[in-house]
Amino acid sequence: GENVEQHPSTLSVQEGDSAVIKCTYSDSASNYFPWYKQELGKRPQLIIDIRSNVGEKKDQRIAVTLNKTAKHFSLHITETQPEDSAVYFCAARSGNNDMRFGAGTRLTVKP
Amino acid sequence: EPEVTQTPSHQVTQMGQEVILRCVPISNHLYFYWYRQILGQKVEFLVSFYNNEISEKSEIFDDQFSVERPDGSNFTLKIRSTKLEDSAMYFCASSEPLRGETQYFGPGTRLLVL
Repeated sequence: GENVEQHPSTLSVQEGDSAVIKCTYSDSASNYFPWYKQELGKRPQLIIDIRSNVGEKKDQRIAVTLNKTAKHFSLHITETQPEDSAVYFCAARSGNNDMRFGAGTRLTVKP
Repeated sequence: EPEVTQTPSHQVTQMGQEVILRCVPISNHLYFYWYRQILGQKVEFLVSFYNNEISEKSEIFDDQFSVERPDGSNFTLKIRSTKLEDSAMYFCASSEPLRGETQYFGPGTRLLVL
């Protein structure tokens, strides 16, 4: 089955700096890669996703890149703000319609 | 904007008891999912459900677990004989028929097994 690795586990940046979170996956049949933001005690919220036929996608301060050959994808947050502080999870959906999540990255943005 | 809802928000039960967690997916969604998140850990896939049957399940989803769509709106997860290690947040999710990938999560049920 699919195995998703996520790094780093914690990330601390100054407000205004960029943050990058990286994930790798194992199943070459995986075709959908969402990123979720989870604030303490709340549900995961989809922030951006990318499909395997696209290499990059951007939505305001958030961008995701996908390298199918290397089987890795990354989340980029620019001009970080304190409200970006949360746990971020990457995920990969295999052809079997199950979604496997990475272990999460706790992002702290210091004002 | 429509949302996935879940009840109860919290459930405390004794080890060995049966629990049923309830979810109401977004109304036009046809794919349904259950996930588990042990405190401080990652979200773990349990099961996906489509067309009134399980389409995929993980190694966690053993014989103690079952899912059901008893009517046109509810989607339930039953744990037959709870164990201490079943204590976790359980999230339901649903996705649209034509865009099966994008999953929307419910607020979760926090289950505590004593």
